[in-house]
Amino acid sequence: VQLVESGGGLVKPGESLRLSCVTSGFTFGYAWMNWVRQVPGKGLEWIGRIKSKVDDETTEYAAPVRGRFTISRDDSKNTLYLQMNSLKSDDTGVYFCAISMFFSNSGGNFYRNAFDVWGQGTVVTVSS
Amino acid sequence: EILMTQSPAILSVSPGETATLSCRASQGISPYLAWYQQKPGRAPRLLIYDVSSRATGVPARFTGSGSGTTFSLTISSLQSEDFGVYYCQQYDSWPLTFGGGTKVEIK
Repeated sequence: VQLVESGGGLVKPGESLRLSCVTSGFTFGYAWMNWVRQVPGKGLEWIGRIKSKVDDETTEYAAPVRGRFTISRDDSKNTLYLQMNSLKSDDTGVYFCAISMFFSNSGGNFYRNAFDVWGQGTVVTVSS
Repeated sequence: EILMTQSPAILSVSPGETATLSCRASQGISPYLAWYQQKPGRAPRLLIYDVSSRATGVPARFTGSGSGTTFSLTISSLQSEDFGVYYCQQYDSWPLTFGGGTKVEIK
């Protein structure tokens, strides 16, 4: 299982950026996917989650990014995206994609929003 | 939003000793509590989910416990590779939130 983020860089406040998370080694179509960020030297902040297509690709977002950030997925490319608009200096950090835990048994499939696989992260810097 | 508070901020431990890390939630979250380990420059690694279930490949010296709003991670017979920052996370309700972390360092 592998997650590889890309698309980070240096942008000015108010600009946009799109991050990608290319995945392999598992059935991406069933996965619930998340973005988590970390300010350098600080803690972890969950940004948002997207469910699988069969679960209507329902999204949830943290308040600081709601209305500015959009999570989407392309199952044909096994890829997760994070579109970031109206970027602020507070958005600076390392952005990780991560998979929600997935369980399957005779009773069906279920998920836990703990993250058992993470990418290596991509750095976003918002500065004038 | 559920606030997660970890203590202590820094824990100095000698190899071979036991470390106990605490995590408190601002409201009841059982059993939706996870623990992660993070080393510098690396992504977090899931250790414990559902309060006390070890993730795949996690050694038995890592034990999670607790209920309601108060939780602990115990690391028995600490080894050199166990030093790093540990975070708790609740997934009971949105938004998902993490604690501020406990840094476990060599004494």
